[in-house]
Amino acid sequence: EDKVVQSPLSLVVHEGDTVTLNCSYEVTNFRSLLWYKQEKKAPTFLFMLTSSGIEKKSGRLSSILDKKELFSILNITATQTGDSAIYLCAVEANGRKLIFGQGTELSVKP
Amino acid sequence: DAGVIQSPRHEVTEMGQEVTLRCKPISGHDYLFWYRQTMMRGLELLIYFNNNVPIDDSGMPEDRFSAKMPNASFSTLKIQPSEPRDSAVYFCASSFDPLEQYFGPGTRLTVT
Repeated sequence: EDKVVQSPLSLVVHEGDTVTLNCSYEVTNFRSLLWYKQEKKAPTFLFMLTSSGIEKKSGRLSSILDKKELFSILNITATQTGDSAIYLCAVEANGRKLIFGQGTELSVKP
Repeated sequence: DAGVIQSPRHEVTEMGQEVTLRCKPISGHDYLFWYRQTMMRGLELLIYFNNNVPIDDSGMPEDRFSAKMPNASFSTLKIQPSEPRDSAVYFCASSFDPLEQYFGPGTRLTVT
């Protein structure tokens, strides 16, 4: 069965800290991995990764994929309270549909 | 663009009642997805459409759930009869590319 596992499930840090969120997966016919940020409402797209070893970066957020070890990490540097959210990892499985992990709930304290 | 529009935003109903959730995708998007999110199971894909045609409904939990997309600008997800275990947030998403999906604000359904 295809599955996506995220860790940790929750994390509390202080502003200015750097955090690393993990996503591991087991799916057939892997094509890509995506990261989403979900605040109080709907998930919003952050990154899509298809190739190993190539870092995607947007401001203080960056992500990298390791297709050999079947995982991805999402790094957030110099965290701010506005980074508090649930971060979702999703993997494209058969039929071009996404399988989501449980999410990591990040809380950034002032 | 207004983004993906869902209605209602909140729905409270009694067990056994029919529930209809509505979605208007972003204009021009030819993929539409229905998801359900719960604490226990996270975000699960229920069904998705491409050019108004259902492509994969393997995530629909049982016959009580049905979805339609009569045209490119409207889709419904119906639950009949509803049960307390259907309580969840239901998201609709749309996209050009099936992966870079734009989510609506969700409908929070409570079945008592």
